[in-house]
Amino acid sequence: AQTVTQSQPEMSVQEAETVTLSCTYDTSENNYYLFWYKQPPSRQMILVIRQEAYKQQNATENRFSVNFQKAAKSFSLKISDSQLGDTAMYFCAFTFIFGNEKLTFGTGTRLTIIP
Amino acid sequence: DAMVIQNPRYQVTQFGKPVTLSCSQTLNHNVMYWYQQKSSQAPKLLFHYYDKDFNNEADTPDNFQSRRPNTSFCFLDIRSPGLGDAAMYLCATSRAGSYEQYFGPGTRLTVT
Repeated sequence: AQTVTQSQPEMSVQEAETVTLSCTYDTSENNYYLFWYKQPPSRQMILVIRQEAYKQQNATENRFSVNFQKAAKSFSLKISDSQLGDTAMYFCAFTFIFGNEKLTFGTGTRLTIIP
Repeated sequence: DAMVIQNPRYQVTQFGKPVTLSCSQTLNHNVMYWYQQKSSQAPKLLFHYYDKDFNNEADTPDNFQSRRPNTSFCFLDIRSPGLGDAAMYLCATSRAGSYEQYFGPGTRLTVT
């Protein structure tokens, strides 16, 4: 079974700074997707960014980018020019391609942006 | 806007008193999921529907049941809530093959 590990339970940075959240995973499969989900306080979880394992190019969505190292099974999220609205719980998640599309989540990183 | 709606947002029930949580969606997605999320923990999948096909996770307690009367609605029934069932319950939907799940705002269940 696959596992997802987020080793940073909490992080905080000053507004406008760059922050990187770490995620590692373990799987013997070759075809999968990785995701970062954001869960703001008292608000619903939303998808931030996703990466297909077969793509070498790192995914980017505006201020959010990933560093996907397939051999190392590492999938970190970089938030540039952080904003107060980025304060949230961030979950790394994994799912197999051609499987049952179930998500396996990491334990999350609570990110606080300090004004 | 298309969305996933959960009602109620907050639910208080007594120990052992059955409770039903509801989820509806306007996305017309064919897959619906129920997750349990305890404080500061990752969401844990309870079960999911692929169209009308029900898929139960192996470690989901028998106390938890689900119904999906049509594409738009899905219900979570907790037959005899215990104190350990207090949690946030998240509903999510996806279109099969998209690999992206859309979450509702959750229902926070308190058991007294």
